[in-house]
Amino acid sequence: NAGVMQNPRHLVRRRGQEARLRCSPMKGHSHVYWYRQLPEEGLKFMVYLQKENIIDESGMPKERFSAEFPKEGPSILRIQQVVRGDSAAYFCASSPPGLVNTGELFFGEGSRLTVL
Amino acid sequence: QKEVEQDPGPLSVPEGAIVSLNCTYSNSAFQYFMWYRQYSRKGPELLMYTYSSGNKEDGRFTAQVDKSSKYISLFIRDSQPSDSATYLCATMIAAGGTSYGKLTFGQGTILTVHP
Repeated sequence: NAGVMQNPRHLVRRRGQEARLRCSPMKGHSHVYWYRQLPEEGLKFMVYLQKENIIDESGMPKERFSAEFPKEGPSILRIQQVVRGDSAAYFCASSPPGLVNTGELFFGEGSRLTVL
Repeated sequence: QKEVEQDPGPLSVPEGAIVSLNCTYSNSAFQYFMWYRQYSRKGPELLMYTYSSGNKEDGRFTAQVDKSSKYISLFIRDSQPSDSATYLCATMIAAGGTSYGKLTFGQGTILTVHP
C-alpha cells in the first residue's frame, strides 16, 4: 500500500508565477490536510478537505492560495503570484475517517517550494 | 504567545542516554496529545498519542501528559543513533466537526544521538 504521494518534490518559481502542488492520499483515505513548514517554524495547518468539499480552511492565507480535492484525481494546493515568503515545505497528510479522532495523520514527504 | 511551545534545541546526547523532550501548551481545550518524529527531508510520522492526562509506554518511548500544568513530555530510554531526528509535539481539540486532524504543532526539537 503506497503512502501519501506528493509531487513535485522540489519546485522553483520566480516571483509572480503560479505553483501547483499535488497530493494523492493513501488508498482508502478520504480526508486530506495541507500543512506548511516555514524555515525555523513548526508545521502550520492550512486546510482540511474531503472529496469535493473544503471542511476547514482557517489556516489558508486569504489571498493567492486555494485548495481542492476533486471527485477524481489528486488534491491540489495552488499558489498564485508567488512571493519569496511562500518559500517553504508543503506537506500533505491523509487519514481514514476512523483514525482522525486520535490525531494520527499519514504525511507525505513534502513539496519544497523555492521562490526566486 | 504560541499555543504550543517547544524548545528547538538542538539536543546532543551520547548513545544509551535517556532523552527528555518537553512542550507546554496554553489552550485548555486540547484533549489529544501526540509526538511525531521527522527525519531530515522526510514527512513526520506518528510516534505516540495520548488522550487527556496520563502516561503511555511503547518500547523505549514513554509519553506523559499533565493537563493541570499543560505539560507534555516524551522520554526515550537507551537512545540510539537511529533516534536522531526532529521530534514534534502536537495537540488537537477533542474530535468533532472541523477539529478532525487539525493539529497544532510545536516548533520541533532537533535531537542527535552520537555513538
